[in-house]
Amino acid sequence: QQQVKQSPQSLIVQKGGISIINCAYENTAFDYFPWYQQFPGKGPALLIAIRPDVSEKKEGRFTISFNKSAKQFSLHIMDSQPGDSATYFCAARSGAGSYQLTFGKGTKLSVIP
Amino acid sequence: DTEVTQTPKHLVMGMTNKKSLKCEQHMGHRAMYWYKQKAKKPPELMFVYSYEKLSINESVPSRFSPECPNSSLLNLHLHALQPEDSALYLCASSRGQVQDTEAFFGQGTRLTVV
Repeated sequence: QQQVKQSPQSLIVQKGGISIINCAYENTAFDYFPWYQQFPGKGPALLIAIRPDVSEKKEGRFTISFNKSAKQFSLHIMDSQPGDSATYFCAARSGAGSYQLTFGKGTKLSVIP
Repeated sequence: DTEVTQTPKHLVMGMTNKKSLKCEQHMGHRAMYWYKQKAKKPPELMFVYSYEKLSINESVPSRFSPECPNSSLLNLHLHALQPEDSALYLCASSRGQVQDTEAFFGQGTRLTVV
């Protein structure tokens, strides 16, 4: 019930291409969905986040698409760059009043020139 | 200032040592967290402090002891650790209000237990 399933585990994209990472959840009490970017040896950095009353949120080259009925959300990175190469984690908050984030297992993105 | 500062960046300790990890933020956040992250895995929540009170302990062994001296500081005291406790230890903070859980992470302390 608390799981967030993330796919793919790894992704290789050509420079300039679109990177797409998908997450799915079961718990309908989740009410906040952030994406984190983590470079090796560094802490995760919040990239972009969405709440379930919005179907899409865009910040620069990064877009979250959210499908509440399907209980799925995805991260799209447009015009992917080698500097985007990192591990990306989707997450979900366990409902109002909770400080707990449930993370997906992560996607290692490699953007090749 | 949107930084969460963790010290030290790296720590090697023996199984009989006592050491402490430190975390500091000056964003006025009232919730602070300790996470443990093993290689190629997502962060795992260990402890949450809310308004300087321990609100969540995710069944963490007693050899890990958190402390929140004030609203800006969070410590993690380590004693009698095992080699399997080697990991990246991450501190995070958020405003602490239920409507806003944007969590900022520090760079982590890479802990090696020998």
